[in-house]
Amino acid sequence: RKEVEQDPGPFNVPEGATVAFNCTYSNSASQSFFWYRQDCRKEPKLLMSVYSSGNEDGRFTAQLNRASQYISLLIRDSKLSDSATYLCVVKNRGNYQLIWGAGTKLIIKP
Amino acid sequence: NAGVTQTPKFRVLKTGQSMTLLCAQDMNHEYMYWYRQDPGMGLRLIHYSVGEGTTAKGEVPDGYNVSRLKKQNFLLGLESAAPSQTSVYFCASSYEGYGTDTQYFGPGTRLTVL
Repeated sequence: RKEVEQDPGPFNVPEGATVAFNCTYSNSASQSFFWYRQDCRKEPKLLMSVYSSGNEDGRFTAQLNRASQYISLLIRDSKLSDSATYLCVVKNRGNYQLIWGAGTKLIIKP
Repeated sequence: NAGVTQTPKFRVLKTGQSMTLLCAQDMNHEYMYWYRQDPGMGLRLIHYSVGEGTTAKGEVPDGYNVSRLKKQNFLLGLESAAPSQTSVYFCASSYEGYGTDTQYFGPGTRLTVL
């Protein structure tokens, strides 16, 4: 079983819709959580860190559920420019290494 | 401020050939990382460095070597390339390795080993 699992998609969503992804992690020692965005054939870029109380950045909302060991990303009023692969990333306590999910591909259609 | 740069951007090697990938960052970051990304898999850490003159193994270090002689540069070497090393290689850097510190990535090197 992979330590970080994501639905690969693709999620095909009309422009303006709301879309949500989940990501599950298996290590209860995971301490830090992130969503990165990767455009086609480009490098990953940090979208947002995920905090225990949940956090929002414009149209994007991230939630953490430690009891069930999953994090989620909600995108409201989706734009064509949101089309990308969204990577779920965790860091375990006392470790420098990031553990990456394989990503969820999102396609926003006009 | 260029951020993180990588050279070359593309390379085709024959099995058994060697090459070095260069990563440079101008953000004065202490930590640097080399990852590979393969279809259907998350990024996997090859080697990393927590400061000038230091290196450590990541998840998939076999077949690779690294050096960090200068703080701003992190080199990844393939001594005898194999087809299984066909991948996209990303370099990243961060100010520190703890907590929610952000990793900044270079544009990647697309390597094909025939």
